[in-house]
Amino acid sequence: KAGVTQTPRYLIKTRGQQVTLSCSPISGHRSVSWYQQTPGQGLQFLFEYFSETQRNKGNFPGRFSGRQFSNSRSEMNVSTLELGDSALYLCASSLAAGGWSPLHFGNGTRLTVT
Amino acid sequence: AQSVTQLGSHVSVSEGALVLLRCNYSSSVPPYLFWYVQYPNQGLQLLLKYTTGATLVKGINGFEAEFKKSETSFHLTKPSAHMSDAAEYFCAVSGNQGGGADGLTFGKGTHLIIQP
Repeated sequence: KAGVTQTPRYLIKTRGQQVTLSCSPISGHRSVSWYQQTPGQGLQFLFEYFSETQRNKGNFPGRFSGRQFSNSRSEMNVSTLELGDSALYLCASSLAAGGWSPLHFGNGTRLTVT
Repeated sequence: AQSVTQLGSHVSVSEGALVLLRCNYSSSVPPYLFWYVQYPNQGLQLLLKYTTGATLVKGINGFEAEFKKSETSFHLTKPSAHMSDAAEYFCAVSGNQGGGADGLTFGKGTHLIIQP
């Protein structure tokens, strides 16, 4: 079974631009979550989607948004990029929404903002 | 609200020695607990999980962890370290009890170094 696929692996953007990251979950998984990983803040929850609905959102500004499609694939968008948005963005899928369902992570998209 | 504290940002052990990575959590509801491992330039891989039932949980690659409610701990152990165990380890807690999702709360991570 194929794992979680994130594209692209690497991105370099300039301040003020916007970016879209893509995530394809494991087949059959309906829940997709996004996390931001930085050396200073560690792993922080961005949001979770289940059946095309955002179930919850972490403590991030409105510049961070996402969506989920009917095939469970998900995208996240960051508008008006800031230098502090440079991070590894990890997507994770799980069979069901709920804290008991383990997350399966992709290899991430490394975003560099210059 | 929930939080996770991992004691020691770096832990160094000799090959063949016991590995002990410490994790303490805080949760207002009965927790679900997880350990993940991250190798360089990769995502996180689930090592083991505690949801309900037996408090001693066995995971992949010879790792295990014991849930101790009285100590609010979920320490990760492995009897004999291998060079391939060198990686970053994250403890995580979820307080979701079925109604809505608040995401996993991760510890800051422990970098495990294996000395030959």
